[in-house]
Amino acid sequence: NAGVTQTPKFRILKIGQSMTLQCAQDMNHNYMYWYRQDPGMGLKLIYYSVGAGITDKGEVPNGYNVSRSTTEDFPLRLELAAPSQTSVYFCASTSELVNQPQHFGDGTRLSIL
Amino acid sequence: AQKITQTQPGMFVQEKEAVTLDCTYDTSDQSYGLFWYKQPSSGEMIFLIYQGSYDEQNATEGRYSLNFQKARKSANLVISASQLGDSAMYFCAMGGNQFYFGTGTSLTVIP
Repeated sequence: NAGVTQTPKFRILKIGQSMTLQCAQDMNHNYMYWYRQDPGMGLKLIYYSVGAGITDKGEVPNGYNVSRSTTEDFPLRLELAAPSQTSVYFCASTSELVNQPQHFGDGTRLSIL
Repeated sequence: AQKITQTQPGMFVQEKEAVTLDCTYDTSDQSYGLFWYKQPSSGEMIFLIYQGSYDEQNATEGRYSLNFQKARKSANLVISASQLGDSAMYFCAMGGNQFYFGTGTSLTVIP
């Protein structure tokens, strides 16, 4: 049972480059989330989705885009990488908001140089 | 607005002692869930314990218990018999019409 799978685990980008962080879950969860975690800090919500075809902005969406074409996949796109986007990115999913925890991927450590 | 507040940025506890990590929440929802996660230095997020707003008994999972005081809107995590492996960041979270995380408490267990 894979749960939430994030790829890649590590990546170094140059300023201005673009990339997509992949997230896939095999639990048929409707709700999916992208967070970033800066060193020593808590989680900040970037984008979330309540189902295929539906996405919405979180607390810090600038510089990012998402899509949700299937229930399983929720990729996060960085268009013009900036040093401020250096962070650890977590994808999470859940089947229900009140009674079920979020299941997290292992994270992607991204450095922008 | 809904939010989670963790007022203790850092905590220290002696090995084998109990420790309480504070969490207060603010919500207008009648039905909500409270969750605690552990994040060790390796970085993964580990779900520890859950409490539903309608649960009358405090949740327990091994050495973890959740001290739920609904009227005070608090959901403190109690770790009994602390071990060195408990040293980590701990996040409180709430699910209702949306999902919210607190800023975390860093726990250090001293031998």
